[in-house]
Amino acid sequence: DSGVTQTPKHLITATGQRVTLRCSPRSGDLSVYWYQQSLDQGLQFLIQYYNGEERAKGNILERFSAQQFPDLHSELNLSSLELGDSALYFCASSPRQGPSTGGYTFGSGTRLTVV
Amino acid sequence: GIQVEQSPPDLILQEGANSTLRCNFSDSVNNLQWFHQNPWGQLINLFYIPSGTKQNGRLSATTVATERYSLLYISSSQTTDSGVYFCAVVRMDSNYQLIWGAGTKLIIKP
Repeated sequence: DSGVTQTPKHLITATGQRVTLRCSPRSGDLSVYWYQQSLDQGLQFLIQYYNGEERAKGNILERFSAQQFPDLHSELNLSSLELGDSALYFCASSPRQGPSTGGYTFGSGTRLTVV
Repeated sequence: GIQVEQSPPDLILQEGANSTLRCNFSDSVNNLQWFHQNPWGQLINLFYIPSGTKQNGRLSATTVATERYSLLYISSSQTTDSGVYFCAVVRMDSNYQLIWGAGTKLIIKP
């Protein structure tokens, strides 16, 4: 167990729907990062939050949004889902804005299937 | 931006064999990590190794920061070592984003 908790582990939904993915960072970590991994692809950075504030944006679609709550858990909201949004979504955390001495810690991911 | 290249892209070995995976990066980095993604998709942090050498059981890694490469060694391979091995780097001027290589797909045959 890495200490980063992602729920749900699997999600199947229809096109056009909206889903919310949840991430609880490792205890004491203030930064949360979201990544998307499409089939047979590398990981693409989506967005970073640090202590409740958005700090960096990557290739995140306008249909996607995220937030980090006062208890430091984060949610990634995906709306108007398309077939191409099917992917593994990973959350990572670190104590501050950059990596800790152990690097970034990843959760086990949420596998989203859009049908 | 910084480029991360991994080689070989694919590797098929018999159980018990040794292997070396390489990661080249095009500019200086502040952080380098090796990850193993198992066939179920789980991403496992193997090493945080911006420089130097580390060992963990049958796995070891060496990063030569001045020459911009890192090596991951796997000895006495087991079928559970199968999966994709990713190298990822961070530069402070990239907003701390991990920049990923394309991975090496390793298949260990019994």
